[in-house]
Amino acid sequence: GAVVSQHPSWVICKSGTSVKIECRSLDFQATTMFWYRQFPKQSLMLMATSNEGSKATYEQGVEKDKFLINHASLTLSTLTVTSAHPEDSSFYICSARPWDRGLQPQHFGDGTRLSIL
Amino acid sequence: TQLLEQSPQFLSIQEGENLTVYCNSSSVFSSLQWYRQEPGEGPVLLVTVVTGGEVKKLKRLTFQFGDARKDSSLHITAAQPGDTGLYLCAVSGNTPLVFGKGTRLSVIA
Repeated sequence: GAVVSQHPSWVICKSGTSVKIECRSLDFQATTMFWYRQFPKQSLMLMATSNEGSKATYEQGVEKDKFLINHASLTLSTLTVTSAHPEDSSFYICSARPWDRGLQPQHFGDGTRLSIL
Repeated sequence: TQLLEQSPQFLSIQEGENLTVYCNSSSVFSSLQWYRQEPGEGPVLLVTVVTGGEVKKLKRLTFQFGDARKDSSLHITAAQPGDTGLYLCAVSGNTPLVFGKGTRLSVIA
């Protein structure tokens, strides 16, 4: 089956640090990956759509200069939280859909818990 | 305005009880998905329903898609502690998934 891997699973760092999160599709290729953020006791909110070889599409209210997305290959998208602050602490989840298998459901990574001190 | 309204928001029941959670919208969808998410993990797809009136069963879970394809329900029979989690409905076509706010279920042994 389709597997999506996220790394790291947990990050704790000081305010002002930049943090990079990786999302990899392990056994399929994905031209599009999605990044979600989930605050405690809440649902997943889409942040941006990552497009291989082109710019990401950000949802309204998400700062593109704050959350840098790079999708340089068909199996890897990265999200960099720049100059992170405590309010950026959240659970970040990526997902991907196999591009060559028709309208297949998205497969989710296990998430990255980011804690900014 | 929330595209998908899920109810109840929270549900705490005893092991062995039955329960139903709902996902409603004023929009019509070509398909709808249900996910379960456990703490510290990503959501896991349970089922996709595509046909109005469709009923799908997954062991003790029964999923129904409304005739008008605007709503869906999830019924769990004889709930077990292992059913505890956040149940999310979601819709998409070729666009990113949009999630409801979820129903947080706690099954007490």
